[in-house]
Amino acid sequence: ETGVTQSPTHLIKTRGQQVTLRCSSQSGHNTVSWYQQALGQGPQFIFQYYREEENGRGNFPPRFSGLQFPNYSSELNVNALELDDSALYLCASSLGLGGAATEAFFGQGTRLTVV
Amino acid sequence: AQSVTQLGSHVSVSEGALVLLRCNYSSSVPPYLFWYVQYPNQGLQLLLKYTSAATLVKGINGFEAEFKKSETSFHLTKPSAHMSDAAEYFCAVLPRTSGTYKYIFGTGTRLKVLA
Repeated sequence: ETGVTQSPTHLIKTRGQQVTLRCSSQSGHNTVSWYQQALGQGPQFIFQYYREEENGRGNFPPRFSGLQFPNYSSELNVNALELDDSALYLCASSLGLGGAATEAFFGQGTRLTVV
Repeated sequence: AQSVTQLGSHVSVSEGALVLLRCNYSSSVPPYLFWYVQYPNQGLQLLLKYTSAATLVKGINGFEAEFKKSETSFHLTKPSAHMSDAAEYFCAVLPRTSGTYKYIFGTGTRLKVLA
């Protein structure tokens, strides 16, 4: 079984630009969640996709948007990048929404630096 | 709103000594509880989870945690620290009542193991 893979691993962007981060969920998983982890902080929930529909969103502005594809892979898009968007972005996949029995598996993350 | 508090952003122990990392949650209904470990430039790896079965939960790499409802705590312990345990540790909760499979993380505790 393949794990959660994210691309790219590192990215440098200029303030005001747009960025797309990608995540391939673990085989058989239909739920993908995205988290932002700023330096020295715990991960913060951005949003979640379940079967291609958004299923919950954290306290992030609309310039953070996402998409889930029929194969359950996902993209995170951030428009009008700000310096504070510099962080590690983590993708987590799970099967369904069935609580703790359905463990979430995290990818290695994408380190985004905005200059 | 539910929250997680990890006391001590940095903890140092000698190799072979007891590891104790503290986690308290705030919730009227005991949530699912997790401990994750993060090595430098890596994603999150699940150490153990509490899902309302036994209150003493054993995880990987010799770690265990005890759920104490009266203290709203879920502290992580390991009897004997190893150099390879040096990493950042995150406590997380998953609310039982939410329709979104959304983790709420603490701010993390960086464990340093001294030779």
